[in-house]
Amino acid sequence: DQQVKQNSPSLSVQEGRISILNCDYTNSMFDYFLWYKKYPAEGPTFLISISSIKDKNEDGRFTVFLNKSAKHLSLHIVPSQPGDSAVYFCAASKGGQNFVFGPGTRLSVLP
Amino acid sequence: GAVVSQHPSRVICKSGTSVKIECRSLDFQATTMFWYRQFPKQSLMLMATSNEGSKATYEQGVEKDKFLINHASLTLSTLTVTSAHPEDSSFYICSARGGNTNQPQHFGDGTRLSIL
Repeated sequence: DQQVKQNSPSLSVQEGRISILNCDYTNSMFDYFLWYKKYPAEGPTFLISISSIKDKNEDGRFTVFLNKSAKHLSLHIVPSQPGDSAVYFCAASKGGQNFVFGPGTRLSVLP
Repeated sequence: GAVVSQHPSRVICKSGTSVKIECRSLDFQATTMFWYRQFPKQSLMLMATSNEGSKATYEQGVEKDKFLINHASLTLSTLTVTSAHPEDSSFYICSARGGNTNQPQHFGDGTRLSIL
């Protein structure tokens, strides 16, 4: 039973437009969430986090939104750049303990 | 900052060999290190969590005698795959976290293990 779901395995976006990556979770006890970006043959790189006391966190071109009632979070990248092409994982935890990762979404930003 | 180095990046060896993978935090003290395994086109699966100086906590279904984890210092953890078999072939990634539990984990670049 997947506790963290990323239902879109892939997404293509034109350069300069907005990329929206979605993540759903089932465990209502999760209260801390991370987004990671992963290039092939490399480890994931931390992008941005959000705790359940917030519904939005912004860092440059990256914004994460959290809807606790819907158990849904999303990562917005604007404007999208070709270098953003990677696999994006969301991860959820309770109290910052062991994170559960989603299966990832492959983002392709087309020039 | 927050650099994690994992070595080796790739290992190819014969069945029955034991393989050691090292994970080092280069510029911070990692109170907790994690070992993950990733199958093709699947997510990262947590294998075990280790805190410096104590025994690792293994996830359900992970054989602790097969995957030996040592976290001897605040900057080094090792994973030894003992008597590796072809089904152990996978991508293994470590991560490290310092400070309190709400700090993000920082990942190494992974080790591609291929058992012939």
